[in-house]
Amino acid sequence: DQQVKQNSPSLSVQEGRISILNCDYTNSMFDYFLWYKKYPAEGPTFLISISSIKDKNEDGRFTVFLNKSAKHLSLHIVPSQPGDSAVYFCAASRGRGAQKLVFGQGTRLTINP
Amino acid sequence: GAGVSQSPSNKVTEKGKDVELRCDPISGHTALYWYRQSLGQGLEFLIYFQGNSAPDKSGLPSDRFSAERTGGSVSTLTIQRTQQEDSAVYLCASSLGLGGGHGNEQFFGPGTRLTVL
Repeated sequence: DQQVKQNSPSLSVQEGRISILNCDYTNSMFDYFLWYKKYPAEGPTFLISISSIKDKNEDGRFTVFLNKSAKHLSLHIVPSQPGDSAVYFCAASRGRGAQKLVFGQGTRLTINP
Repeated sequence: GAGVSQSPSNKVTEKGKDVELRCDPISGHTALYWYRQSLGQGLEFLIYFQGNSAPDKSGLPSDRFSAERTGGSVSTLTIQRTQQEDSAVYLCASSLGLGGGHGNEQFFGPGTRLTVL
């Protein structure tokens, strides 16, 4: 039962353009969502989060959009840079504070010069 | 150090042996989590500790897996009688673990790569 799904295993984008990574979830009890970035041989690094009371959160080049009715969130990176090449995981939890995260399978983003 | 640390970074063991994996969380973080990532998969929750509350063990795949957190800080994940399907990267994370409007940003260590031959 995959409650958080990232249907694109890989994405290739040209440097300077926009990268859009998508994530769908099935559990309507999830109310906090996060994006993590992972380089090989390192642990995931927190990027940006959004609460279900919002539909957009922006931090520099990174923006996360949440569509609750569609149970869909997306991460926009603009402009994309070569250092953004990594695996991106979306994650969801029920409630704030200390809660286990449910992760998607990840999307490998490659930024081409 | 300022981040989450884990040891060993790599562990190769024979099927049937027991292994212990260690995690040192960020100082001041009351919540500690264990996840694992099998090849080509996302992160799978195993167990988490929050303060003095009973741990949430709902993600442990079998009774061969157990974890302790001593003194509210360091945690050890133990896998008894290891099997080949236990081969994965085991990741530890910690967070402030506070309710009341705080987020759940978890900070991960580099992981322990376990290979069971």
